[in-house]
Formats: sequence, structure tokens, C-alpha cells
Amino acid sequence: ILNVEQSPQSLHVQEGDSTNFTCSFPSSNFYALHWYRWETAKSPEALFVMTLNGDEKKKGRISATLNTKEGYSYLYIKGSQPEDSATYLCAFLDSNYQLIWGAGTKLIIKP
Amino acid sequence: EPEVTQTPSHQVTQMGQEVILRCVPISNHLYFYWYRQILGQKVEFLVSFYNNEISEKSEIFDDQFSVERPDGSNFTLKIRSTKLEDSAMYFCASTKGGGSRNEQFFGPGTRLTVL
Repeated sequence: ILNVEQSPQSLHVQEGDSTNFTCSFPSSNFYALHWYRWETAKSPEALFVMTLNGDEKKKGRISATLNTKEGYSYLYIKGSQPEDSATYLCAFLDSNYQLIWGAGTKLIIKP
Repeated sequence: EPEVTQTPSHQVTQMGQEVILRCVPISNHLYFYWYRQILGQKVEFLVSFYNNEISEKSEIFDDQFSVERPDGSNFTLKIRSTKLEDSAMYFCASTKGGGSRNEQFFGPGTRLTVL
């Protein structure tokens, strides 16, 4: 059974601090790794889709790296702002072209 | 900005009843998906749909479930005889091309409560 793990489960960060969290996924039969940002009462919003080992992607203060050989991706947020508070989900695209989701990291930014 | 819409936002039904959850994907998108999230659990893939047929489905998507794109704009999920364990948030998503290697755009979800 394929499993995607995210850590930590939740994270409290002071406004202005930078932070990062991890997504671990199977290192075999890799097709793609998705990151989504999910605010309460809203739809999940795509951040990145990463397909190549060593990929680094950036969107504003948020960036992500990918290591497919060891099966992990890091999401970084630089200079956290209150609007960054959300649950960050990663999802692994398996060989059946199904997205297998992690449980998410809930990020709370303290003003 | 175009977005995926879903109706209703909340559906309450009795066990054994049929429900139809409706989604309107973004108009020029070609791939459509249904996911569900049972309260407190991970998001789970149900089914993907392309070119008017199911392209992938998970083990959850058994004979009780069906999908349809009846009129070129709506994308529906039907649960024939609901069970208590079908209570969940159901999300529709769509993507323009390239299937699941592209970012998916999600609707706001339908909360299904089976009593």
C-alpha cells in the first residue's frame, strides 16, 4: 500500500519567521508530486507540480524542492505572514495515475 | 478568474437513498476528478474522467458509484444507495491537459451527511 507521510502534523510559527515541512513518498515508480494549499472553508489551491529529481520551484515566498531518489519533498515559506495559515497537502501521483494524498501539515502563523 | 463550482454545498440524505453531486469544471478543461475526505482522514482519490469515460478509479469507487458528463458542462457523481460511511466532503477537480501531471483546480466541495 502506497503511503504519503507529511511532517509535522501541525506547526506554530511566529510572523516573520521562515519555516519548512516535509512530504515523504515512495521512491519507486515516481510520476509527479503535487503541493496544495488548503485554507479552511475554501478549495485546495495548487502550489506546485514537480516531476523531475532535483526540481526546485518558487512562487513568491513559497518554494519547494524534490528528491525522487530518496522520496521526499520540502516546502519552504520565507518570512511567514498570517495569510500563510493553512493546511499544506502533498500528493504523490502513482503508476495508476491516482493521486495519493498526505494528511497535511497545518500551519498557524502567530502575529 | 474561472473556477470549479459544486452544488449543493451540503446534502443530507437517509441511508439507502440515491444522491447526485454536481460539479461544473472550468470550461476548457479536459480531465475531471472526484475526491472525498472523510472527517479527520486523508483526501482520497475516487475517479478520473477523460474523453467521456472513466480513465482511472480507486477501490473505493465500487458499483454504488457512477459518474457522468451529461451535457458538456456538468460532471456528476452519483451514489446509488448511500451508506453511513459515505458521509464525507466530496471534491471535484479539473485540469486542462496532461492529466494528473498538471495542477488540478478544485471546487469548494459538497458535504454529504448520511443519516
